[in-house]
Order: sequence, then structure tokens, then C-alpha cells
Amino acid sequence: NAGVTQTPKFRILKIGQSMTLQCAQDMNHNYMYWYRQDPGMGLKLIYYSVGAGITDKGEVPNGYNVSRSTTEDFPLRLELAAPSQTSVYFCASRTSQPNTEAFFGQGTRLTVV
Amino acid sequence: GDSVTQMEGPVTLSEEACLTINCTYTATGYPSLFWYVQYPGEGLQLLLKATKADDKGSNKGFEATYRKETTSFHLEKGSVQVSDSAVYFCALSGMDSSYKLIFGSGTRLLVRP
Repeated sequence: NAGVTQTPKFRILKIGQSMTLQCAQDMNHNYMYWYRQDPGMGLKLIYYSVGAGITDKGEVPNGYNVSRSTTEDFPLRLELAAPSQTSVYFCASRTSQPNTEAFFGQGTRLTVV
Repeated sequence: GDSVTQMEGPVTLSEEACLTINCTYTATGYPSLFWYVQYPGEGLQLLLKATKADDKGSNKGFEATYRKETTSFHLEKGSVQVSDSAVYFCALSGMDSSYKLIFGSGTRLLVRP
């Protein structure tokens, strides 16, 4: 039972480079989320999706883009990486039923130098 | 907007000591409340939840009661173990249809033998 799978686990980028963080879930969840976790801080929502073809901004969307072409996949794109995007990124998914839990991937640790 | 405030850490305890991690929230309506735990190098996993006032969530010896009158959801455990060392996040899911989670800043717990 894979759950939520994120790749890669670690990545070092140079300023100005771009990359895509991959997220896949095998639980047929409609709702998917991207969060970032900075040291000593809680998780901040970047983008979310309530179903294939539907995405919306969260609290900190600047510098990121997402797409949701299938129920299973929710990639996060970083264009023109900046040191401020150094963080740990978590993908999560859940059902559309209220009062249910979100399931998290193991995270991607990104360093921009 | 909705927010979660939890006590800052780190909290250092000896094995078998009692634990309380305070969490208060601000939200409109009746949010669902969660405690997530993050073990070193891992993603977040649900520890317990409560979805309405006076509900008590419990798991692995941890408990938290949804107190509407004090807008609190404090995490308690009567006797901690070394294996409980982790970061604990209080979170709420508000009334909007995105079901996004709003997190506190996290509390690191270190239990010494």
C-alpha cells in the first residue's frame, strides 16, 4: 500500500534553475495539496486541487505552478528557483468526505544555492 | 482568518513523565481538529482527531478534547516513552469546501531515558 509517493526525496538546485516535484497517490482521492515546511514553522499551503482539471492557490503560491491532469498525480513546478524556496515540501491527499484525515507523503527536501 | 497557536518547544521530558502540549485555535463555525506527528525524517501522520465540541480523540495513549468554550485542543499523555520523541502539530480544517489544513508551528518533544 503505497499511499502518497513523492519524488525526489532530496534535491539541490542552483538559483534560476527549474524543477518539478512529483506527487502520486493510489487511494483515488479527489483532494490533493502541496505544503511547504520551513524550520520552526508550521506547514503553509502552496496550492491545492479538488479534482482533475481543478487547481487553486493557497497561502504562498508565488514562484510555483501546478497541474492536475489525472486523479493520481499532482506535480509542483518551480520556475526560476530562489533561495527563499529552500524548504521541505509535502504533498497530501484526502477524500471529499468531511471530517476525514489527510495522508502525507514523506517529503522532498529542496535546497536552492 | 482561521489560525492555530500551539506552545513552542522544545519540550524535554524524562521517560514516564506526563505530557501536555497546548493548542488553541481561531475559526468561524465548527472546524475539525487534528493532531499530527512527524517522526525524524518522515512525513506527517495523523495521531488523533475530533470533529465536534466535547469529542475526545485518542490514540497510542495520547488524548485531546475539543473544547469549544475555550477554543482549545490540548494534547496529553500520562506517561511518555522515548519512542514518543517527535514533532507534534496541531491543525484545523475549517468550514470551506477545500478542507485545507491550517497548522500550528509544531512542538518538538524530546523524551530522555
